[in-house]
Amino acid sequence: QVQLQESGPGLVKTSQTLSLTCTVSGGSISSGGYYWSWIRQHPGKGLEWIGYIHYSGSTYCNPSLKSLCTISVDTSKNQFSLRLSSLTAADTAVYYCARLRFSSGGYFDLWGRGTQVTVSS
Amino acid sequence: DIQLTQSPSTLSASVGDRVTITCRTSQSISNWLAWYQQRPGKAPKLLIYDASSLESGVPSRFSGSGSGTEFTLTISSLQPDDFATYYCQQYNSYSATFGPGTKVDIK
Repeated sequence: QVQLQESGPGLVKTSQTLSLTCTVSGGSISSGGYYWSWIRQHPGKGLEWIGYIHYSGSTYCNPSLKSLCTISVDTSKNQFSLRLSSLTAADTAVYYCARLRFSSGGYFDLWGRGTQVTVSS
Repeated sequence: DIQLTQSPSTLSASVGDRVTITCRTSQSISNWLAWYQQRPGKAPKLLIYDASSLESGVPSRFSGSGSGTEFTLTISSLQPDDFATYYCQQYNSYSATFGPGTKVDIK
């Protein structure tokens, strides 16, 4: 079955750029109908959608992140990636990659296990 | 942006209880709402989509209802595995937002 796995540094310095990768296994990232997403959860808090990408390259990021968010896809490696720039301590969170499926609405039906990212000077 | 609120924020219940959680949205979203369960240290799990459709593999004790701006998640008979935090989520105009969560703990 399809599985998602996040990878990246657990510790990043303030003002630097975070780079995370999600590897999709057991299925093709190019299979139609899905978008591939990033979601984060601050310590002890709720869930925040960051953005998503289609294998064709169409991307959308949460407007609250403005230009700080970049999402890319590498279909040859079956991976998609997140870059988040100008980090502050407020970006400390568990970062999840997830598959976005559309029916009437859009829903995250498959999730990675999450990766803890700590931002510190 | 569409805002979601959930009530209650915490709910204490016993095994076998019927539990209902409410999610309200700041504007009408038809039936474009999902419910997730998150156990401590784990990723969220999709339970219900399109307000009332049960995701494959999810026990039938979970059900959802509602449309427009008010939605409910019901657990008909609470089981030990169900003590967790539940989130609602909507998708509209290329953006997704989650509710603040409802924690169901043991009475």
